[in-house]
Amino acid sequence: DSGVTQTPKHLITATGQRVTLRCSPRSGDLSVYWYQQSLDQGLQFLIQYYNGEERAKGNILERFSAQQFPDLHSELNLSSLELGDSALYFCASGQTNTEAFFGQGTRLTVV
Amino acid sequence: GEDVEQSLFLSVREGDSSVINCTYTDSSSTYLYWYKQEPGAGLQLLTYIFSNMDMKQDQRLTVLLNKKDKHLSLRIADTQTGDSAIYFCAVFLNTPLVFGKGTRLSVIA
Repeated sequence: DSGVTQTPKHLITATGQRVTLRCSPRSGDLSVYWYQQSLDQGLQFLIQYYNGEERAKGNILERFSAQQFPDLHSELNLSSLELGDSALYFCASGQTNTEAFFGQGTRLTVV
Repeated sequence: GEDVEQSLFLSVREGDSSVINCTYTDSSSTYLYWYKQEPGAGLQLLTYIFSNMDMKQDQRLTVLLNKKDKHLSLRIADTQTGDSAIYFCAVFLNTPLVFGKGTRLSVIA
């Protein structure tokens, strides 16, 4: 158990809908990262927050957004969902930029 | 940007050693990692190596780094069926970790 908690574990939703994925980092970790894992693209970095501020941005679509709250938990919002958004979404946390401990992931299925 | 390449599949017999290889493009990468992903699970950090090291050993795991060739390898000694999983190489430069596509290790009993 990495200490990173993600909810929900599974999510099934229809195209065009909006969902929110939640992540609680390890105690004391200020950095939160979001990654998308799909069969064809592998693990793609989406976005990083550090102590509430956006630190780095990767291949995140404009339909997706994230935030980190004062208690350091983070949410990833996915809107106008398409079939191609079906993937595993991972959150990771770390105390420094050079470490990342991953949660169990949220499996999103868009139908 | 950084590119990380791994072979997709490796099959070994139980008790043999496994060697999983990874190449990367940016020689300035400072930290290099190996993660393990079992079916339906998240990524578990196995080990990491700093770029100023050539080798790191941790029980059955040995990491070798060849900076000149930008080549990283993970050796698993006495491979067990429980080692069957996908192994990801990841590198850190100045941005969050960049991952390879993973090597699926199958251990044959």
